[in-house]
Amino acid sequence: DQQVKQNSPSLSVQEGRISILNCDYTNSMFDYFLWYKKYPAEGPTFLISISSIKDKNEDGRFTVFLNKSAKHLSLHIVPSQPGDSAVYFCAARAGGTSYGKLTFGQGTILTVHP
Amino acid sequence: DSGVTQTPKHLITATGQRVTLRCSPRSGDLSVYWYQQSLDQGLQFLIQYYNGEERAKGNILERFSAQQFPDLHSELNLSSLELGDSALYFCASSSPRTGPSTGELFFGEGSRLTVL
Repeated sequence: DQQVKQNSPSLSVQEGRISILNCDYTNSMFDYFLWYKKYPAEGPTFLISISSIKDKNEDGRFTVFLNKSAKHLSLHIVPSQPGDSAVYFCAARAGGTSYGKLTFGQGTILTVHP
Repeated sequence: DSGVTQTPKHLITATGQRVTLRCSPRSGDLSVYWYQQSLDQGLQFLIQYYNGEERAKGNILERFSAQQFPDLHSELNLSSLELGDSALYFCASSSPRTGPSTGELFFGEGSRLTVL
């Protein structure tokens, strides 16, 4: 039972353009959402997060949007840079659980071409 | 460098065997989390320890066990290994100051286990 889904295995974007990574979830108990980035041979690194009481959170070039009614979130990267090429994981946490107990999506491979 | 250290980086063993994966959290972090990433899958939460005590449990198999020692390093023990246990095992830690507000975990580079 995949509670967090990233339906696009890969995304290719030109440098300077916008990258939009999508994530859908099914569990209504999720109330906190995070994005992690992973380079080969490294562990995931935290990018940005959003609470379910908000619909947008911004940090520099990264913005996360949350649509609770659609159970959908997205990560926008503007402008995209070649160094952004990595695997991006969406993750969610249910209310009342340990804040490190996350449910991850399968990941989306982002390639940013110079 | 996240500050979380995992050993070994690679491990190849046979079915039926037992292995131990080790994790040292960042200095000052009290929580340790173990995650499993099988091929083409997302990370799956296994277990959390906080200051030596089990705090949360995921879908961890009975053949797997973990502990956190007084110096806060943690070990994940995998026994009676099966082919399907081949995966990347990540350890993560969290800051007691910022973790509750951001949810940020600091991950190690992982231990890649191959069961033949």
